[in-house]
Amino acid sequence: DVKVTQSSRYLVKRTGEKVFLECVQDMDHENMFWYRQDPGLGLRLIYFSYDVKMKEKGDIPEGYSVSREKKERFSLILESASTNQTSMYLCASSTMLGVLAGGIRADTQYFGPGTRLTVL
Amino acid sequence: KQEVTQIPAALSVPEGENLVLNCSFTDSAIYNLQWFRQDPGKGLTSLLLIQSSQREQTSGRLNASLDKSSGRSTLYIAASQPGDSATYLCAVNYAGGGNKLTFGTGTQLKVEL
Repeated sequence: DVKVTQSSRYLVKRTGEKVFLECVQDMDHENMFWYRQDPGLGLRLIYFSYDVKMKEKGDIPEGYSVSREKKERFSLILESASTNQTSMYLCASSTMLGVLAGGIRADTQYFGPGTRLTVL
Repeated sequence: KQEVTQIPAALSVPEGENLVLNCSFTDSAIYNLQWFRQDPGKGLTSLLLIQSSQREQTSGRLNASLDKSSGRSTLYIAASQPGDSATYLCAVNYAGGGNKLTFGTGTQLKVEL
């Protein structure tokens, strides 16, 4: 079974703090993703990575950065946490099915348990 | 704008009833569509993935259909049980979007005894 783990289930930080959220997957997946989930807004993609040291912005990258130094680990960084970054953060991974005209096809995404971050 | 919509936002049914959850998407150029389940405070569990070339997928009591031309997918749950109570999310991998999934806001299902 694919296992995606996240470093913390619950986290409380102060405004202005630097926050690191870690995600590790054990299935040698090429693709990794960070989402945030908010009531009424659903899941929104922050950043994703399809290879080591590669990253691409998602729909809401402002205020976040990411790091992927090893294939199994994808980190989300809040450089200076703000109260509007209070949310549930979900990490996911997937493998490639192949490359077709118009883009890349990926298999199902496997999600971690989530980190509920509160910024005070 | 490529969007995914799920209606209704919430649904309550008696145990044993068959039910259908709906998902609509705005662009027929997709790679695949996935249905997920989310329990309160937890991550997402993949239920079914339908590639763009497929019309349906089945797993146990679950059946998902895909109609690209009308931009619709349905998740059919047979003989519902209280353990099926959860939020069900539909997500679309639009062509040209790389690996990105666009999610609907989900349908919260409650199956009552």
